[in-house]
Amino acid sequence: DAGITQSPRHKVTETGTPVTLRCHQTENHRYMYWYRQDPGHGLRLIHYSYGVKDTDKGEVSDGYSVSRSKTEDFLLTLESATSSQTSVYFCAIRKPGQNYGYTFGSGTRLTVV
Amino acid sequence: AQKVTQAQTEISVVEKEDVTLDCVYETRDTTYYLFWYKQPPSGELVFLIRRNSFDEQNEISGRYSWNFQKSTSSFNFTITASQVVDSAVYFCALKGYPDMRFGAGTRLTVKP
Repeated sequence: DAGITQSPRHKVTETGTPVTLRCHQTENHRYMYWYRQDPGHGLRLIHYSYGVKDTDKGEVSDGYSVSRSKTEDFLLTLESATSSQTSVYFCAIRKPGQNYGYTFGSGTRLTVV
Repeated sequence: AQKVTQAQTEISVVEKEDVTLDCVYETRDTTYYLFWYKQPPSGELVFLIRRNSFDEQNEISGRYSWNFQKSTSSFNFTITASQVVDSAVYFCALKGYPDMRFGAGTRLTVKP
């Protein structure tokens, strides 16, 4: 068990609606990350967190916000979903002793229609 | 700037062939970590290997081997005697700040 779960696993939403994706960990790790995966781009960082209420932007943060009010939960919100945000979203945690390797959640496939 | 290039978008081989996936990276850091991840059709990301910049020894794990060459900034991955179960997208990644930078991935298809 990797100790990290994402919800929902799949979602279809309409353009212009807000959407929130949840990442939950059971091991109280400090660092958490949100990536999106798109063909030809690999995984790109959206936002990351280094502690409760401590977050920062990544490479592709426009149109996204995050919140971390508890160590175990890292929420990603699409403020007004657009078709360009159709993607697979991965949450990751960084566990101590892994020499900076990440453990990933199972991903959320989001379709904006 | 941190950058990872996987020039091979897709590779198709027949079972039992050997295949090498290329990875070239760019970094100004003297200490860094390189990774390979596998993404099978089920979609999860599976960690395969981590290598730090001070350790240039090649590594072998079963049918998998990795060749790290700092002189050419490459960290290539070879699968020997490929199998259908090796079909997946493989990502090379470089740990930078604040995050890990990924290559675009190489889709490997192994045909029976």
